[in-house]
Amino acid sequence: GQQVMQIPQYQHVQEGEDFTTYCNSSTTLSNIQWYKQRPGGHPVFLIQLVKSGEVKKQKRLTFQFGEAKKNSSLHITATQTTDVGTYFCAGMNGGSQGNLIFGKGTKLSVKP
Amino acid sequence: DAGVTQSPTHLIKTRGQHVTLRCSPISGHKSVSWYQQVLGQGPQFIFQYYEKEERGRGNFPDRFSARQFPNYSSELNVNALLLGDSALYLCASSLVVRANIQYFGAGTRLSVL
Repeated sequence: GQQVMQIPQYQHVQEGEDFTTYCNSSTTLSNIQWYKQRPGGHPVFLIQLVKSGEVKKQKRLTFQFGEAKKNSSLHITATQTTDVGTYFCAGMNGGSQGNLIFGKGTKLSVKP
Repeated sequence: DAGVTQSPTHLIKTRGQHVTLRCSPISGHKSVSWYQQVLGQGPQFIFQYYEKEERGRGNFPDRFSARQFPNYSSELNVNALLLGDSALYLCASSLVVRANIQYFGAGTRLSVL
């Protein structure tokens, strides 16, 4: 079945350093979503990418959707302690069900 | 406006028992999805309901069932609990059925002893 893989599994950075997490799907996606889950919390929607090659920015966060619509990335510039959490990508295939397949996430820790 | 609410927040059961988890979606949302999140993993899709009909089912055994009520709230039932069912069960609501933005509740933490 469809799989969504994320790397790295863990990332430890010094505050102010940049951070990137990568997401790859085994199949072409109709869209991809990114969520953030703080420790002890629940996933919170960040953004949705739909178009091939799409790039969206939210302040220090930059999201990209690959040209083939099979991969995506999230880049955080100059991390802050408030960025701590696990970042998940979730892909939706083009099938009729339209449910989301989540990656295993990248857990980000930021050392002040 | 209230977000997605789930009850109970925590639950401890023993093997073989059954459990019912409840979810109330955001007002106006007609789609409810259930996910299982094991520690260290991403949420895994269990069910989606829209307008009281099942619209999607993940790769879970028949011990898992769900339903949606006329007010769009939902229940997830798990029978014959196994130790491996211990997880955070998340409910998410969305406006439409096709994987629209998912708004998650705080979840129910189920421990099976």
